[in-house]
Amino acid sequence: AQSVAQPEDQVNVAEGNPLTVKCTYSVSGNPYLFWYVQYPNRGLQFLLKYITGDNLVKGSYGFEAEFNKSQTSFHLKKPSALVSDSALYFCAVRTTDSWGKFQFGAGTQVVVTP
Amino acid sequence: SAVISQKPSRDICQRGTSLTIQCQVDSQVTMMFWYRQQPGQSLTLIATANQGSEATYESGFVIDKFPISRPNLTFSTLTVSNLSPEDSSIYLCSVLLGLVWNEQFFGPGTRLTVL
Repeated sequence: AQSVAQPEDQVNVAEGNPLTVKCTYSVSGNPYLFWYVQYPNRGLQFLLKYITGDNLVKGSYGFEAEFNKSQTSFHLKKPSALVSDSALYFCAVRTTDSWGKFQFGAGTQVVVTP
Repeated sequence: SAVISQKPSRDICQRGTSLTIQCQVDSQVTMMFWYRQQPGQSLTLIATANQGSEATYESGFVIDKFPISRPNLTFSTLTVSNLSPEDSSIYLCSVLLGLVWNEQFFGPGTRLTVL
């Protein structure tokens, strides 16, 4: 079985400050990890993914995430948050044998204040 | 990438009726999925819809309540039957693309409200 945990329901950060959204996972095989963002009344948009290789992956809109196998984490980061980054962020995992079935975390609401 | 559209974008339905949601993709895809996102919650996979075969439902979801059609490689429908207020959710379709199916793209969603 695979599962994803996003321990924070909401993250508040001031514009210009670093933003971190936490994600930990549990899988029985090698994980494929993803971050998605959902703006109000919109579908999910893909931000970045970790499949293999470099543990630090860079994605859209200046976001990056670091895969840490020993801590089973895949935290999303942005060095300087923008008000427009305010949205709902989802971490997701699948394994090589789950044939496309993604397990999503509960989501973290990010609020960036001016 | 893939461009995915859904119809309707939102609807308000009466208890006991049904709603059929359409999902159209701008390219041929093998694997399509239907998700439900209840208010304030995460996404829950309803079923996997592959062309030429019956949909595969996840635990807690049954074909009588959520019949799915997949007539070709660019289109699918999800029907939510015998609606109750508990069915009020956003319903999203998604497709898998990329090497070893690593990229999942979502439609904009259909917001359903049941009165």
